[in-house]
Amino acid sequence: EAEVAQSPRYKITEKSQAVAFWCDPISGHATLYWYRQILGQGPELLVQFQDESVVDDSQLPKDRFSAERLKGVDSTLKIQPAELGDSAMYLCASSSLPDAPHEQYFGPGTRLTVT
Amino acid sequence: GQNIDQPTEMTATEGAIVQINCTYQTSGFNGLFWYQQHAGEAPTFLSYNVLDGLEEKGRFSSFLSRSKGYSYLLLKELQMKDSASYLCAVINSNYQLIWGAGTKLIIKP
Repeated sequence: EAEVAQSPRYKITEKSQAVAFWCDPISGHATLYWYRQILGQGPELLVQFQDESVVDDSQLPKDRFSAERLKGVDSTLKIQPAELGDSAMYLCASSSLPDAPHEQYFGPGTRLTVT
Repeated sequence: GQNIDQPTEMTATEGAIVQINCTYQTSGFNGLFWYQQHAGEAPTFLSYNVLDGLEEKGRFSSFLSRSKGYSYLLLKELQMKDSASYLCAVINSNYQLIWGAGTKLIIKP
């Protein structure tokens, strides 16, 4: 069964350092999402791509976060510099949107701890 | 604004039935999802409703009433492994997915 791949699974970094996460969506999925999830809350959308274009990055803290999907396949999310409040689970998901079905499939996530 | 409301936590007994409710107010509607999320793991897709009525999938069923902005997830024959958070999410008219905060379900023997 096709899966969304993410790496690393866990990352510990010191504040003010740079950190990067990688995501490879399900083959053929045009839409890719990066979410941040804090314990006890629902996922918060950071950025949505359709192919290589950004569809929605209204909640992305652009002073420190950046995301790219250069060839419309895999994607990288970067944080520089990391802050203590960035500690969270970072989830990548993909879907066949705009084609049906619209459900999103999630990767295993990256647990980020900033010390 | 747009919001999804669901109870924060529920407790049920192994072998019993539990219903988790979700109400939503969104700018348009293009479908409603239920996801299951075990602690420390990513959400996994459970069900999708776009038309009114009940969708059944094994021990899990999901119901939708678009006129009431309401859905529920019904879990039958509860097992200990069903202890998890259950997230309700709605696709609005812009095809944005609006997420609820999730309902933590605790199953007791």
